Amino acid sequence: DQQVKQNSPSLSVQEGRISILNCDYTNSMFDYFLWYKKYPAEGPTFLISISSIKDKNEDGRFTVFLNKSAKHLSLHIVPSQPGDSAVYFCAASPLFYKFYFGSGTKLNVKP
Amino acid sequence: NAGVTQTPKFQVLKTGQSMTLQCAQDMNHEYMSWYRQDPGMGLRLIHYSVGAGITDQGEVPNGYNVSRSTTEDFPLRLLSAAPSQTSVYFCASSLGGAQNTGELFFGEGSRLTVL
Repeated sequence: DQQVKQNSPSLSVQEGRISILNCDYTNSMFDYFLWYKKYPAEGPTFLISISSIKDKNEDGRFTVFLNKSAKHLSLHIVPSQPGDSAVYFCAASPLFYKFYFGSGTKLNVKP
Repeated sequence: NAGVTQTPKFQVLKTGQSMTLQCAQDMNHEYMSWYRQDPGMGLRLIHYSVGAGITDQGEVPNGYNVSRSTTEDFPLRLLSAAPSQTSVYFCASSLGGAQNTGELFFGEGSRLTVL
């Protein structure tokens, strides 16, 4: 059974608007969470992370929110740009060596 | 700066054949790992290593072997390929130790088809 779930396989957003990608996890031992972005025929690249001692982390247009009681995290992209169109994976880890990934959400930002 | 290099990028095998996927990193990272990506499943951890001479199993280790004789290299061996091993394989590395931020650096992937 997947310990990290991304229930929306795809999301379509207009350029300039907010994109919100969601991720749920089941293991309460997870204490470090990351988001990766993946373009076709390339490896995933790191986007942003958050540890369980925080509930928010910002990096430019990207903000990750963590709700530990709900075992839920979300990635907000504001404003969305066409270049943000990619597959986004969330990942969680109880240690820095074992990461569990969600199935990904394909974001399409329309010009 | 090469980062994480995987070879080959594409491979077709027949059931029962063996092969090795190569992975090398030039960032002096302690931690290396192998993932496979399947449709609707995301990335699943096959094996990982926290340093030269140390390896451990991930979520889906069956049918795969690894070794880590140097810091730079972490090959993944398929001993007897099966159609269920058709997938895209990614190698990843990270700093490890006290400097570890958890950020994984991925290779470009190796697409394997087993007929």
